[in-house]
Amino acid sequence: DSGVTQTPKHLITATGQRVTLRCSPRSGDLSVYWYQQSLDQGLQFLIQYYNGEERAKGNILERFSAQQFPDLHSELNLSSLELGDSALYFCASSVGGTGIEKLFFGSGTQLSVL
Amino acid sequence: DQQVKQNSPSLSVQEGRISILNCDYTNSMFDYFLWYKKYPAEGPTFLISISSIKDKNEDGRFTVFLNKSAKHLSLHIVPSQPGDSAVYFCAASSGGSNYKLTFGKGTLLTVNP
Repeated sequence: DSGVTQTPKHLITATGQRVTLRCSPRSGDLSVYWYQQSLDQGLQFLIQYYNGEERAKGNILERFSAQQFPDLHSELNLSSLELGDSALYFCASSVGGTGIEKLFFGSGTQLSVL
Repeated sequence: DQQVKQNSPSLSVQEGRISILNCDYTNSMFDYFLWYKKYPAEGPTFLISISSIKDKNEDGRFTVFLNKSAKHLSLHIVPSQPGDSAVYFCAASSGGSNYKLTFGKGTLLTVNP
């Protein structure tokens, strides 16, 4: 158990809909990362927050947004969903959020857009 | 543009033998490398890392080698065990001030008893 909690584990929705994925980091970790793993793709970095503020942005679509709340949990909002958004979405956390820290991953949310 | 490449989607080895997983990178700014292991229905877990100031790092049965001139790193598992069967991801970053970790697509290792 990594200590990172992601909910829900599975999500099935239709095109055009909006969903919210939730992540609770490990106790004491200030940084949260979101990654997307599509079929036959590696882990694509989406966005990182550190102590409530956005720190780095990757290949995140404009239809996607995220935030980190004062209690350090994070939410990833995906809107106007398309079939191609179907993927496994991972949240990870680390203490300081630097590029040389190891990340602790949750078990992911499997999103299926039908 | 895939900056971290794992060209072998899968690898199969016999229990007790050596497993060698390879990773190539194109970004010369990368100076810190990590390997993660992923079992089905679980998130990736950190395995081992190496800084560019080193060419080898060892942790028990796992050793990572870095060849900076070739922009290549490899993970050696000796001896391989059936429990090592998993997807292995190579990841790279350009240091402490760059927060983005770039992952390869992964290699599925199967260790046969």
